[in-house]
Amino acid sequence: AAGVIQSPRHLIKEKRETATLKCYPIPRHDTVYWYQQGPGQDPQFLISFYEKMQSDKGSIPDRFSAQQFSDYHSELNMSSLELGDSALYFCASSLRDKASYGYTFGSGTRLTVV
Amino acid sequence: AQKITQTQPGMFVQEKEAVTLDCTYDTSDQSYGLFWYKQPSSGEMIFLIYQGSYDEQNATEGRYSLNFQKARKSANLVISASQLGDSAMYFCAMREGYSGYSTLTFGKGTMLLVSP
Repeated sequence: AAGVIQSPRHLIKEKRETATLKCYPIPRHDTVYWYQQGPGQDPQFLISFYEKMQSDKGSIPDRFSAQQFSDYHSELNMSSLELGDSALYFCASSLRDKASYGYTFGSGTRLTVV
Repeated sequence: AQKITQTQPGMFVQEKEAVTLDCTYDTSDQSYGLFWYKQPSSGEMIFLIYQGSYDEQNATEGRYSLNFQKARKSANLVISASQLGDSAMYFCAMREGYSGYSTLTFGKGTMLLVSP
């Protein structure tokens, strides 16, 4: 079965650089979520999209932006990277009317800022 | 206030024993969903089990069962016959409201170590 695909799996950037993370949700899933998980922390919600429109916003810094494209893939753009942005970034997708099927997470992108 | 509370930072269990991971939640919504996820050291987030607030029976998925006590607002995960591969971080999470586009809120997690 198709899963949520995230790329790249690992990314190393220097401070003040930019990074773009990509997420390809499960086909026909209409909602995409982005989460940030710092070392030893629980995942924190950043932003979500429903049918390509932003639907909810969490603790996403102004330096970050995200969008969902016509093919439903989503990108998280991170600028002026800081050391504290080093984390595991998850994308998850779900079908709005089938919440009990769960939110399927991708394998994550591990971002290291040096 | 914390919406999801996992009071056990770490748990140790021997192989083949059962273990219960605690989770309490706080919501004023009548409709909500409770989830358990497993995160091994490799980092991926693996969905284990789901309990809806209106489900009268406790959810079960293979060796996993969810002990849902609505009045106490608890949703404990029970793993029967632990295996070495069960060693991982376990997160309890909640979706408030009915819609599947509501975000998940996670607890701090419980690290489970299974010894031979």
